[in-house]
Amino acid sequence: SQKIEQNSEALNIQEGKTATLTCNYTNYSPAYLQWYRQDPGRGPVFLLLIRENEKEKRKERLKVTFDTTLKQSLFHITASQPADSATYLCALPRRDSGYALNFGKGTSLLVTP
Amino acid sequence: GAGVSQSPSNKVTEKGKDVELRCDPISGHTALYWYRQSLGQGLEFLIYFQGNSAPDKSGLPSDRFSAERTGGSVSTLTIQRTQQEDSAVYLCASSFQGAGGNQPQHFGDGTRLSIL
Repeated sequence: SQKIEQNSEALNIQEGKTATLTCNYTNYSPAYLQWYRQDPGRGPVFLLLIRENEKEKRKERLKVTFDTTLKQSLFHITASQPADSATYLCALPRRDSGYALNFGKGTSLLVTP
Repeated sequence: GAGVSQSPSNKVTEKGKDVELRCDPISGHTALYWYRQSLGQGLEFLIYFQGNSAPDKSGLPSDRFSAERTGGSVSTLTIQRTQQEDSAVYLCASSFQGAGGNQPQHFGDGTRLSIL
């Protein structure tokens, strides 16, 4: 069956450092992968989409990589700030060509001053 | 507002009752999705609507769950004869439907459903 795995343990880092979150998947050949941020009591908010033919995507302090051979995506936040503290979700299309998403359980990030 | 709106934000009901949850998507978005999120769990896909096409109901957990989308806009998720395991946050999202479906989804803040 298709699985999406994210670090279940919370990631605690110091302000100013780079946070790196991992998303591994099995039994998928996705055309793209998305990352979302979720704050407590709120719905997820879209951050970045990376396509299968893209190795890396950047947006401000965010960087996502996509290795279809390793079946892994890495999500980096550089110069992290306490406001970056949230749960970060990795999502893949339910069918390889698109449509609704399957989400990982998310990794909680805590950035301390 | 310009975002996805869901109502009610909280719903408490007794086991066995029916509930209706409402979603107002972003104007112009042709795709609408329902997910649910149980405590400590990831988002679980329920149903997907795209334009006038037949909905993808493959995620509905039982025949007690149904959803409709009227006029290609507002959607209602109905749960009949609620059970305690139905307690969760029900999230609605909408998006444009681009080629291959690779469009960002915009979520509402959900309805927190508690079954007593």
